[in-house]
Amino acid sequence: GNSVTQMEGPVTLSEEAFLTINCTYTATGYPSLFWYVQYPGEGLQLLLKATKADDKGSNKGFEATYRKETTSFHLEKGSVQVSDSAVYFCALSRGGGADGLTFGKGTHLIIQP
Amino acid sequence: EAGVAQSPRYKIIEKRQSVAFWCNPISGHATLYWYQQILGQGPKLLIQFQNNGVVDDSQLPKDRFSAERLKGVDSTLKIQPAKLEDSAVYLCASSLARTSGRAGELFFGEGSRLTVL
Repeated sequence: GNSVTQMEGPVTLSEEAFLTINCTYTATGYPSLFWYVQYPGEGLQLLLKATKADDKGSNKGFEATYRKETTSFHLEKGSVQVSDSAVYFCALSRGGGADGLTFGKGTHLIIQP
Repeated sequence: EAGVAQSPRYKIIEKRQSVAFWCNPISGHATLYWYQQILGQGPKLLIQFQNNGVVDDSQLPKDRFSAERLKGVDSTLKIQPAKLEDSAVYLCASSLARTSGRAGELFFGEGSRLTVL
């Protein structure tokens, strides 16, 4: 079946550091890929998405590229801020009528000033 | 635009009791989802509705969980009887229909936290 594997957290970085959160997936067919974020005290919200191989999703300075050859969708940001502290979830949608998301376990990111 | 509304925010019950959660999706969203999020894990899909029909309930423990979406708007998720392992946050989400090209773009409520003692 479909699954998503993320790097374990927490990940602790200093402000302005470079961020990478690894995400790999297993799926049949051609899934769409997503990163969702949960800020402290808030609900899950979509950060970015990519719907086909080699697509790059981007938002708020974050980027992720859909790599079919390595079944990966790593999240990157060039310079993190304290306000980026949150839990990040990688997810896939297998498409078709039943397109509910399959989520990874989440990676807790802590940015220190 | 109002977001996805859920209630109650918190519920504490004893095992073998029953509980119900309510969700009101964003107006105009045809698709509604219920997810279960156990502490330290990612959300797990329980059931997906398209309007008032069930699209996917393959991971719903049907011996104790039930859900309905009357009139294609509000939805209720019920657990009866509850077990200790049902302690989790129950998330409701909604999205536009797949034909909108926005598949997978879910809007989540703040969740209902259930503790089973």
